[in-house]
Amino acid sequence: GAVVSQHPSWVICKSGTSVKIECRSLDFQATTMFWYRQFPKQSLMLMATSNEGSKATYEQGVEKDKFLINHASLTLSTLTVTSAHPEDSSFYICSARGSDWWDNEQFFGPGTRLTVL
Amino acid sequence: GENVEQHPSTLSVQEGDSAVIKCTYSDSASNYFPWYKQELGKRPQLIIDIRSNVGEKKDQRIAVTLNKTAKHFSLHITETQPEDSAVYFCAASSGNQFYFGTGTSLTVIP
Repeated sequence: GAVVSQHPSWVICKSGTSVKIECRSLDFQATTMFWYRQFPKQSLMLMATSNEGSKATYEQGVEKDKFLINHASLTLSTLTVTSAHPEDSSFYICSARGSDWWDNEQFFGPGTRLTVL
Repeated sequence: GENVEQHPSTLSVQEGDSAVIKCTYSDSASNYFPWYKQELGKRPQLIIDIRSNVGEKKDQRIAVTLNKTAKHFSLHITETQPEDSAVYFCAASSGNQFYFGTGTSLTVIP
């Protein structure tokens, strides 16, 4: 159980285009999803916390107009990188957390590698 | 916000030896401390976690200790094997968000 998928797994796009990444919880309802980015040989940096049916909470320094997050259902959150530029190239990983208030555990998706040319 | 520091950044051990990775955190409200193993290009995998009401937890060759007073926690891997080679991340959470340490690249030399 507790499987999280991401799509696509790898995307290459031209500078200036927008890219949408999907994160799905396959066998549980995720009231909260998280988006991270990870540069090579670096740690996971939390970008935003997404709660179903409400606006995402962004970490300091993350542009909410550039990284659009939508969490329209209990099993799907999307991250859209708008007007992508080469510096946005990174590994984007989502995670999902269940609805049990006592359960802190997060389940990670396989990641999406974004390359902006 | 929470600040998690992790040491060392790289660690090489001989097969069969033990490996210890240490993390400190700043937010006294943090009450959940997971450890993740990440192989190149793959998702982090939870290997062990500990909650603030426990001082130590063990699962076969892996153990984690927590000192709430000092705000630090450690990962111990005994009898290391080549397949333990990976990057390990600690994290701290006070309920919702996770804040990750900077990672430790562990190499187990056969």
